[in-house]
Amino acid sequence: SAVISQKPSRDICQRGTSLTIQCQVDSQVTMMFWYRQQPGQSLTLIATANQGSEATYESGFVIDKFPISRPNLTFSTLTVSNLSPEDSSIYLCSALPEALHFGNGTRLTVT
Amino acid sequence: QKEVEQDPGPLSVPEGAIVSLNCTYSNSAFQYFMWYRQYSRKGPELLMYTYSSGNKEDGRFTAQVDKSSKYISLFIRDSQPSDSATYLCAMRNNNAGNMLTFGGGTRLMVKP
Repeated sequence: SAVISQKPSRDICQRGTSLTIQCQVDSQVTMMFWYRQQPGQSLTLIATANQGSEATYESGFVIDKFPISRPNLTFSTLTVSNLSPEDSSIYLCSALPEALHFGNGTRLTVT
Repeated sequence: QKEVEQDPGPLSVPEGAIVSLNCTYSNSAFQYFMWYRQYSRKGPELLMYTYSSGNKEDGRFTAQVDKSSKYISLFIRDSQPSDSATYLCAMRNNNAGNMLTFGGGTRLMVKP
């Protein structure tokens, strides 16, 4: 299975700023997935990122708030824009072929 | 109604007990069933992965799937304090992409 690394592992950001999270996979993968886990909650899919095309967003998530880049087959970024305290969550990525494994995620706290 | 329902707990058991964790689901198209363990401040760790109805065993863990009842279970034998974590069930319908649909998670505490 692919090994998934995320940076940063955690960050504390001020309201109104943005945070970009990086996801690196140790092998080439076709699709990458970004999830959000709000405090005490389960994981919710934000979007699916394909290399060379626009990301596909789930209901309730929009590109202006969560822009995603997928410049190559091993890397993706998720930006959380115009931060508010409600964005305080863990953000996780996973990747095909199995899309079953996650990194340790990025813990974001917005003050 | 959520697609996947899971009792949030917390579930508190003594060390050595058999633990039963369960999820129900409503979407009959789900084909793959997973159990994850998540320690505090860590990402979910895949424990078990099953495709069909029946049982799958791995050490102290047994995953059970009953598609006719839309019900899955994870059993932990001889539970240890190190098993204390949140357990998440997840499901996937390959005909609808590769996204996972998660239950809300059950917090388990195993007391020494």
